[in-house]
Parts: sequence; structure tokens; C-alpha cells
Amino acid sequence: AQTVTQSQPEMSVQEAETVTLSCTYDTSESDYYLFWYKQPPSRQMILVIRQEAYKQQNATENRFSVNFQKAAKSFSLKISDSQLGDAAMYFCAYLPETSGSRLTFGEGTQLTVNP
Amino acid sequence: KAGVTQTPRYLIKTRGQQVTLSCSPISGHRSVSWYQQTPGQGLQFLFEYFSETQRNKGNFPGRFSGRQFSNSRSEMNVSTLELGDSALYLCASSRHRQGAYEQYFGPGTRLTVT
Repeated sequence: AQTVTQSQPEMSVQEAETVTLSCTYDTSESDYYLFWYKQPPSRQMILVIRQEAYKQQNATENRFSVNFQKAAKSFSLKISDSQLGDAAMYFCAYLPETSGSRLTFGEGTQLTVNP
Repeated sequence: KAGVTQTPRYLIKTRGQQVTLSCSPISGHRSVSWYQQTPGQGLQFLFEYFSETQRNKGNFPGRFSGRQFSNSRSEMNVSTLELGDSALYLCASSRHRQGAYEQYFGPGTRLTVT
């Protein structure tokens, strides 16, 4: 079974600093997608960044970037210049190519941003 | 482009009743997935519909069912509600083309069963 593990239930960062959230996954598939979603107190799930496994280049979206290590099955999220609005629960998610749209989520990491 | 919409946003039901939740996907997205989110179990996949057919199903009892209409709008139904069905129900619409995949979530329906 495919699993996604986020080993940090909680993280905190000072405003304007950088923080890295960890995610590992277990799969025997070779073609898949990885995502980071953000869920603020409003509970709206917001797509932060996605990575296609066939791409070697790490995805970047403004202040958000990932470190994708396919062999190690690791997919960490780096948030640079953290802002108060980044405070939220962050979920890592995995989707194999053969699985339609069935996402498997990690347990989540609660990020606190301190002013 | 309008996002994924879900109705109603909040719902309070009594044990034994049934409930129907609705989801309208992003225009052009033919796949709709449903997830249940609870503090204890996290985010769990319920089912996915694509072109009016159920394509994937999670490990939930038969009380949970769904359907999709020709305009891609989807409904999920829970019959004989139990206290444990209290949760945030999230709908997501997705599209997969040319090696890229996108899946976006609606705001959710918070169901409370008393």
C-alpha cells in the first residue's frame, strides 16, 4: 500500500525566516505526482506546489520550492521569507499515474509563523 | 475561472437521517473526487467519478454513495447517519492532460451529526 509520512506534526518559524517541511512516501510506482496543500483555519485546501516524478528539476512557485529526491522517496517543502499568512496545516499528497484522481495524504504539519 | 463550489457549507443532521452534498467542479474538469476529513482519521478518500462513472472507491461502507451528472456536477449521499460521520467533506475537481495534473478543492461541507 502506498503511504505518505510527515514526521513533523508541528513546526514554527520566525517571520521572514525559512522553514522546511518534510515528507516521505512509499511506492513501487515509477510515474506519479506529488503535491503540497495548505489548509488555513478556513479549512479551504489550497494547492501550493506540485511535482511530476518524471521531472528532475525541482518545482518552484514564488517563495515555495521543493526538494524532490526520487530515489530516497523524499519530497520536502521549503518556504522562504515566511509570512504570517503562511500559518496553516500543510499536507503532502501522492498520486500515482494509474490511480485516476485518488490522492493519498500525509498526516499534516501544523506551521506556526511567529511575528 | 470559477473554482470548485460545494453546497451546503454547513449541515446539522440527526442520527439515522440521510444527507446529500453537492459539488460543482471547475469548468472543463471531468473528474470529481470526494474526501472525508476528521481529526482522528485525517483525510480519507471516499470515491471518484469521471464522466458519470465511478472510477475509484475508498474503504467506506455502502451507506456512502455518490453520482455524477452529465454536466460533471456530483452529489454524495450518506444514509442512516452515525455520529462518526461528523466530518468535513471535501470535493475536488481535477484534470490530467499532457503530463500535467491539477486537482483543486472546494471549500468543504461541514457535517455535524447529533
